[in-house]
Order: sequence, then structure tokens, then C-alpha cells
Amino acid sequence: QQQVKQSPQSLIVQKGGISIINCAYENTAFDYFPWYQQFPGKGPALLIAIRPDVSEKKEGRFTISFNKSAKQFSLHIMDSQPGDSATYFCASGSARQLTFGSGTQLTVLP
Amino acid sequence: ETGVTQTPRHLVMGMTNKKSLKCEQHLGHNAMYWYKQSAKKPLELMFVYSLEERVENNSVPSRFSPECPNSSHLFLHLHTLQPEDSALYLCASSQDSTGTGELFFGEGSRLTVL
Repeated sequence: QQQVKQSPQSLIVQKGGISIINCAYENTAFDYFPWYQQFPGKGPALLIAIRPDVSEKKEGRFTISFNKSAKQFSLHIMDSQPGDSATYFCASGSARQLTFGSGTQLTVLP
Repeated sequence: ETGVTQTPRHLVMGMTNKKSLKCEQHLGHNAMYWYKQSAKKPLELMFVYSLEERVENNSVPSRFSPECPNSSHLFLHLHTLQPEDSALYLCASSQDSTGTGELFFGEGSRLTVL
């Protein structure tokens, strides 16, 4: 199975700082790149997604940057808040063939 | 009830037991999924059902047996499991199994195999 490599495994950021999580994918046929957010005791929930025809997508404080040639995409969380503390998963593919990264545990300190 | 609900939330079983996990979606979706989530590992897709037909089986051991009696319900039957099968089992649904649809996850069933 094609892999999606996610880094870092864990991240600690001060309130108001920028959180950056990176992912690299292998399968160039995939054309859908979502990020899922998971709080403790809950299932993952879609946060934001991008297609490779654009290089950036922004929704509020959350931005995906996409680099097709490098086969990399990243999640930027601006003005990080303690309520953003969660595990974040990147993925690539289609709904049926989503390949997930191993997750990043984000902690935002008050 | 709304969204995707899973029962039980926690399950402890011995290696010789037989148990089942249940998932119900109230979203009117046509596709349902089982994922396995282990600590510090990617979510592993186990099974995909589209319109009650199994369309994906990712080399899952036969001790895991899925059942989809209708588009709203999904079961995972468990028997003679191993301790390494201990994990969080997540059910998800989407509008359909093709294209780039959003997955809606349940809260998971935490399984411990003694």
C-alpha cells in the first residue's frame, strides 16, 4: 500500500503561535488531500481538504499548502489555541482509497 | 440519534470468545467502512461496503468477519482474536465509495484482547 509519511509525531506550540504539520505522499494518481482532526475519545472529523489544481486553501485559521512537484502538503494553524489540541491526520486518495498518515499529536499551551 | 454511532464503546474479550461490534449511520449514506486505529500508526482500512456489497477487503485475517445487512448498519464479528488485535475500531460512512467524499467517523469501539 502506498504510504503517506507525516511529521512531526508530536508538536507543542504556545498559544498564538503557528503550528505546522507536514506530509509526503507517493502515489501521483491520487487527487484528494484531506486533513482530519481527532479529539480524545472521538472519531476523526474532516478539517480541511485540497485538490492538486490549487497550491493553497485557507479556511479560517487553517491553511493547506500543496506542492505537487515535491509530492508534499502541509497544514498550517495560525494563532493556535488550546482548543486546537488534538491529533491531526493527513491523507491522500479518494474516499474509498484513503491512505492516512500516522498522525501528529498537537498540544497548544495556554 | 445523529451521525455514526458505534456500540459497544469498550469491549474486553478473551482469545476464545466471539463478539460483535455494531455500527449504525443516520446520514443516508451508501458506503460504510471499518478502520483499525493503533497507537502511533496510520489508520488501517479493513473493509468497505457500497450499497451493502463488500467492495474492499484489505487482506484482513479471517478472524474478522464483516456483515452489512442494509445501508445503515455494519457489523464486525470477532472470533479467536489475538492480543495484537487490541485497538480502536472505527466505523465510518460516506455518501458513496467513489470519488473524494468526506468520511464521517463514529467514536470507535475500544477492543482489548486478553
